[in-house]
Amino acid sequence: GAGVSQSPRYKVAKRGQDVALRCDPISGHVSLFWYQQALGQGPEFLTYFQNEAQLDKSGLPSDRFFAERPEGSVSTLKIQRTQQEDSAVYLCASSLEYSRRRGELFFGEGSRLTVL
Amino acid sequence: AQTVTQSQPEMSVQEAETVTLSCTYDTSESDYYLFWYKQPPSRQMILVIRQEAYKQQNATENRFSVNFQKAAKSFSLKISDSQLGDAAMYFCAYRGGADGLTFGKGTHLIIQP
Repeated sequence: GAGVSQSPRYKVAKRGQDVALRCDPISGHVSLFWYQQALGQGPEFLTYFQNEAQLDKSGLPSDRFFAERPEGSVSTLKIQRTQQEDSAVYLCASSLEYSRRRGELFFGEGSRLTVL
Repeated sequence: AQTVTQSQPEMSVQEAETVTLSCTYDTSESDYYLFWYKQPPSRQMILVIRQEAYKQQNATENRFSVNFQKAAKSFSLKISDSQLGDAAMYFCAYRGGADGLTFGKGTHLIIQP
């Protein structure tokens, strides 16, 4: 596609429900990142994939958060047993280069999760 | 760990005037990239300008320019001839050896018509 696509754009969940957020990166982009952005804050790193390999998941806040990218393209961020503190915008970004230092990250419009 | 600090939560400027947004960062690395991203209400992060640390020349993109002071670890963004469409959150970001970007908390830029 022309840009990074995320779905759903808005998700309301009851506390305790499981949610899945999808990211479709730019075709051919090797690197994929997930960020969490709380209201009024800058994005915080969650996890990073290079193709299908999850190379860094140090930013995932708890074991309720799980991300996968099984075929090196589309990625899914899953949050189990959602809590109110999980309410945030979840941003996905992709980058063409292998090198972690180089290259612009292209962002999607994010998925806004509200946990009631 | 790297940190990025934006000390101005909000800035306001008259249309057609110039505004400078501040950013400082802390790192022990010598090779890295610095970015300014714009985030309008639609939430999509849009790259404004990029600076490579090994380049001494300040990056410029049309009305946007940076003042990169490597020794001081400062990376400010200057917007000339401000336009209504420039209103947004602006995030300074660092990319070094670790994965992805480290962002500051952002500056909300208001353009007064």
